[in-house]
Amino acid sequence: AAGVIQSPRHLIKEKRETATLKCYPIPRHDTVYWYQQGPGQDPQFLISFYEKMQSDKGSIPDRFSAQQFSDYHSELNMSSLELGDSALYFCASSGQTYEQYFGPGTRLTVT
Amino acid sequence: DQQVKQNSPSLSVQEGRISILNCDYTNSMFDYFLWYKKYPAEGPTFLISISSIKDKNEDGRFTVFLNKSAKHLSLHIVPSQPGDSAVYFCAASAASGTYKYIFGTGTRLKVLA
Repeated sequence: AAGVIQSPRHLIKEKRETATLKCYPIPRHDTVYWYQQGPGQDPQFLISFYEKMQSDKGSIPDRFSAQQFSDYHSELNMSSLELGDSALYFCASSGQTYEQYFGPGTRLTVT
Repeated sequence: DQQVKQNSPSLSVQEGRISILNCDYTNSMFDYFLWYKKYPAEGPTFLISISSIKDKNEDGRFTVFLNKSAKHLSLHIVPSQPGDSAVYFCAASAASGTYKYIFGTGTRLKVLA
């Protein structure tokens, strides 16, 4: 069965650079969620989109923005990167049920 | 303020025995709960879910129990297998247009052969 796809899987950036993470949800899933997991921490909700509209917002810094496109894929844009942004970034998708399915994550390292 | 808590950071169980992972929550508005299994450097894998209209849900070796009055849920794995060794997260959400899940801190399960 098709799963959530995230790209890239690994990304290394320097401080103050920008990064774009992409997420392709499971086919026919209309909702996308972004989570950030720091080392030794639980995943923290960042933002979600339903039918291309932002539906909920969590602890997402103002330096980050995201959007969902007409094909339901989503991109998380991160600017002015800081060392503390180094983390695993997960995307999850859901359809008509409340169950969310996660992608493999993007490991972002900021040096 | 941690709304979803997994008070046991780690648990070791012999192969073939039962593993019981616990999760407590504080927000009485939570009514959807998920359990995930996570290996290092991989995304969380969905295991089993339960909504607040039920007190038990079973899927193969995995059973989740929900005690709403105690704001407590538990995941039972029977029989435990070495491949079950991973970090287990519970997550909770209140019903809304979309489901923003709050994750617990995780419990590392080690199943000993």
